[in-house]
Parts: sequence; C-alpha cells; structure tokens
Amino acid sequence: AQTVTQSQPEMSVQEAETVTLSCTYDTSENNYYLFWYKQPPSRQMILVIRQEAYKQQNATENRFSVNFQKAAKSFSLKISDSQLGDTAMYFCAFMKDSNYQLIWGAGTKLIIKP
Amino acid sequence: SQTIHQWPATLVQPVGSPLSLECTVEGTSNPNLYWYRQAAGRGLQLLFYSVGIGQISSEVPQNLSASRPQDRQFILSSKKLLLSDSGFYLCAWSVHLNYGYTFGSGTRLTVV
Repeated sequence: AQTVTQSQPEMSVQEAETVTLSCTYDTSENNYYLFWYKQPPSRQMILVIRQEAYKQQNATENRFSVNFQKAAKSFSLKISDSQLGDTAMYFCAFMKDSNYQLIWGAGTKLIIKP
Repeated sequence: SQTIHQWPATLVQPVGSPLSLECTVEGTSNPNLYWYRQAAGRGLQLLFYSVGIGQISSEVPQNLSASRPQDRQFILSSKKLLLSDSGFYLCAWSVHLNYGYTFGSGTRLTVV
C-alpha cells in the first residue's frame, strides 16, 4: 500500500525567507501524480502545485517549486520569498495512475513570522 | 468554469439528531466525488467516494452514509449523530487524474 510521510509537524520562518517542506512516499508504482495542498486558517483546501512522475522536470508555480527525486521517492516543496499569507497547513498527497484516490500525508503547519 | 458548492458552512446539532450535508458541482459532467472528514489539527480521512450516480464506496464503517441522487450532487447523511461525528467535512471532485481534487469550502459540524 502507498504511504506518504511528512516528517515536519511544524515549521516557522521569517517573512521573505525561503522554506522547504519535506515529503517522502512509498510506492511500487511507476506512473503516479504528486500534489501539494495548502489549507490556510479558513480551512479551504487549495492546490498549490502538482507533479507527474513521468516528467523529470520539477514543477514550478510562481514562488512555489518542488524538488522531485523519483529514485529517492522524495517530493519537497520550496517556498521562496515567503509571505504572511503563506501561513497554513501544507499537505503532500499521492495519486496512482490507475485510480482517483489521493493518499495524504499528515501535514506540516507552516508559520510565517513578520 | 467548474465550481463546487458545499453547505451549510457551520452546523451545531444535538446528539441523536439527523444530518444532511449537500455538495454540488457545476461546469463538469460525471465527476468523481468525495467526502472527507478532518479532525482539528489533523489530516484528512476519506469517508466516501462515488464514480457515478448511485455508486457509493465507503472507506470507513461508521454512523454516516452518502448518496448521489444526481450526477453532480453528493449528500452526506446520518440518522442519529454521535459526539464523535464532530469535525470539519470537506467535499471534493475530480475529473482528470493529473489535476488532483478541487475542494468545497467545508462544513464545520459540532455535535453537542
């Protein structure tokens, strides 16, 4: 069975700093998708970035980028020039190519300090 | 564009009362639909998912049930709420594998 592990329960950084959230996963699948979701205090779940496993190029969305290491089964999220609005829970998630079910990590609480 | 509506936003119900939470999707057809529950400060627990009208899969045996009476409508119900049913309930939909899920705004349920 697939599992997703986020080893950092909580992190805090100063505004404008760069922060990296870690995520590792376990799977025997070759084709799959990886996602980072953000859940701010409003609790709305928002898709931040996604990565297709067959693409070697790391996904980037503005200040958000990933470091996808397929062999190591690692999928970290880097937030550059962090902003107060980045304060949220961040969840890493995995989806097999063959179905639509997301496997979730436990989440990392990120606090951006002014 | 696709949108997802979930209501109510907040609900306080006494123990033993019934529950009905509704979720509707607009702008797409035949979506996969999901109900999740999230305890305070915790991760997401998948409760039910549906790949079509009348097709419901349950992930966790419990006091809740789900129904999909129409293609873009997903309902979470209970005949008698328990204190342990309190939590934050999220509805989500997906159509394409590589786009993940789109979530509703959630319902905060408190059973008293």
